Parts: sequence; C-alpha cells; structure tokens
Amino acid sequence: AQKITQTQPGMFVQEKEAVTLDCTYDTSDPSYGLFWYKQPSSGEMIFLIYQGSYDQQNATEGRYSLNFQKARKSANLVISASQLGDSAMYFCAMSASINDYKLSFGAGTTVTVRA
Amino acid sequence: EPEVTQTPSHQVTQMGQEVILRCVPISNHLYFYWYRQILGQKVEFLVSFYNNEISEKSEIFDDQFSVERPDGSNFTLKIRSTKLEDSAMYFCASSGGQGGTQPQHFGDGTRLSIL
Repeated sequence: AQKITQTQPGMFVQEKEAVTLDCTYDTSDPSYGLFWYKQPSSGEMIFLIYQGSYDQQNATEGRYSLNFQKARKSANLVISASQLGDSAMYFCAMSASINDYKLSFGAGTTVTVRA
Repeated sequence: EPEVTQTPSHQVTQMGQEVILRCVPISNHLYFYWYRQILGQKVEFLVSFYNNEISEKSEIFDDQFSVERPDGSNFTLKIRSTKLEDSAMYFCASSGGQGGTQPQHFGDGTRLSIL
C-alpha cells in the first residue's frame, strides 16, 4: 500500500525567503510518480510539479523545485522567493505508474507568507 | 490553457435525495477521476474511469455512487441517496496518461452540502 506523510501541519515564511515542505512516501512499487498541489483558501487544487521515480534530475517549475531523494523516499518541495500569494495548503501526492490510477494524498502543510 | 470545468460550484441537497455532479475534462485527456475532500481532511480518491469503464475504485465508492460519460465531453458523478456524511468538496480530475506518468489536473470542485 502507498503512504504519504507530511509532518509539518503549518509553516510561516517571510516574504522573499525560501521555504521547504517535507514529504516522505512509502511504496513497494519500483515505478511511481510524485506530485505537489497547491490549495488556496478558495478551495481549488492547482498542480505545481511532478517527479517520476526514474527521473535522474530533480524537477523544477519556475519558483518550485522538488528535492527528490529516492533512497530516503523523500520528495520535498522548495518554494523560492516566497510571495504573499503563496499562502495556501500544499499537498504531496503519489501514484504508482503501473496498474494504478489513483493519487494518494498526504495530510497537507499550510504555508503562511508574512510581509 | 485548457482546464477542467465543474458544475455546479455549490450544491445544497436534502438527505436522501439524488445528486449529479458534472465535469468537463480537458478535451484530449483519456483518464478521468473523482476525488472528495471532507472539510479539514485530506483528499480521498473515489474512482477512475478509462475507455468508458471504471478502472479503479476505492472503498468509499459503494453502490450509492455511479459515474458516467454520457457524451464525448461530460463526465458525471451520481450519488443516489445522499447521506449527511456525503457533505464534502468533490473534485473531478483528468490526465493524458495513466497514474503516475502524467499529472492529474483538477477542476475547481463542487461543494456538496447535505441537510
């Protein structure tokens, strides 16, 4: 069974600073995908970044980067140069790529950016 | 940028009534999903749909639930006889590839309130 753990329920970060959101996962599948989503207070789910288990390089999308450490089974999200609009709930999610369709989500981390 | 569209944004229904939630996935996507998020909790997978049939479903997706793709664009979730515990945000998602190979893009959700 897949399991996603986000141990930080809430974090504060100063505007323009970087913040790292932790995510660890557990799966016996050799092939899987890791995702991060942002959920603002308005409720929608916004896809941020994707990392495949066989990708050699860490994924990056603008100010978002994924620190993928396969041996440690961690996929931390780094948000650089935080903006007030980054204040939201962030979810880590995982799906095995073979014979699996669903995403399993972590409990989420609330990020509050301070001016 | 193409997006997943969900209607209505908010649905209020009496317990025991049937409700249909509607979704228009991204047009060239082949995989469709429903998730729910009870207030303050993590996002939970309900069902995935591919090639006009259910490909995977969770324990939550019991006989009260059904999905349908009535035409080439719409994807619906029906709850036959709603219960108080069905109150949640329901998200539709779609992807161009299976499971962990490509990101799932979510709609803005339908907030379902059962009275």
